[in-house]
Amino acid sequence: GAVVSQHPSRVICKSGTSVKIECRSLDFQATTMFWYRQFPKQSLMLMATSNEGSKATYEQGVEKDKFLINHASLTLSTLTVTSAHPEDSSFYICSARRDRAYGYTFGSGTRLTVV
Amino acid sequence: ELKVEQNPLFLSMQEGKNYTIYCNYSTTSDRLYWYRQDPGKSLESLFVLLSNGAVKQEGRLMASLDTKARLSTLHITAAVHDLSATYFCAVDSNNDMRFGAGTRLTVKP
Repeated sequence: GAVVSQHPSRVICKSGTSVKIECRSLDFQATTMFWYRQFPKQSLMLMATSNEGSKATYEQGVEKDKFLINHASLTLSTLTVTSAHPEDSSFYICSARRDRAYGYTFGSGTRLTVV
Repeated sequence: ELKVEQNPLFLSMQEGKNYTIYCNYSTTSDRLYWYRQDPGKSLESLFVLLSNGAVKQEGRLMASLDTKARLSTLHITAAVHDLSATYFCAVDSNNDMRFGAGTRLTVKP
């Protein structure tokens, strides 16, 4: 199979602090991982594409200095929400693709609440 | 820019009935995915459609892809309550994957 592990599943943080979310491919190597954001009752919006060993590619309107992405190995990508504010509260989901024919596998998601 | 339109957005149906969800997309692609999402959960992969004319079935769900019409359908046969969820189609074009808005399906007894 193709398993993607995402941690933490839930996090509550105070406004102004930073939160790191990890996304790991457990049984395959992923040169590319994707980070999505989902607001309640809405679809997934791609935030950025994480590339192993290079800078992430951010979608238009996503602040790269606020949402730091690091893809230091073929099995791990991290998303750090810096100086979080209540409007950053959302469901964050990562995904990775084992190969083009297999399709994308999604992590279990992280529910971020900024208070 | 790749755009994906999914309809209906909301679907309420009775158990035992059939219905189809449609997914149209704007640019050439031969890779289309269907996912299921339960409330508070992440996405579960249902189908991967890789070529024109592809048809896949799993239980009461059947998905098809017509790349010429840029259309995929997800057909529900004899719906049961357990199928209540939100269903998303997603289209992959040149490593750019975009999601439809989702169809919130409610199956009532």
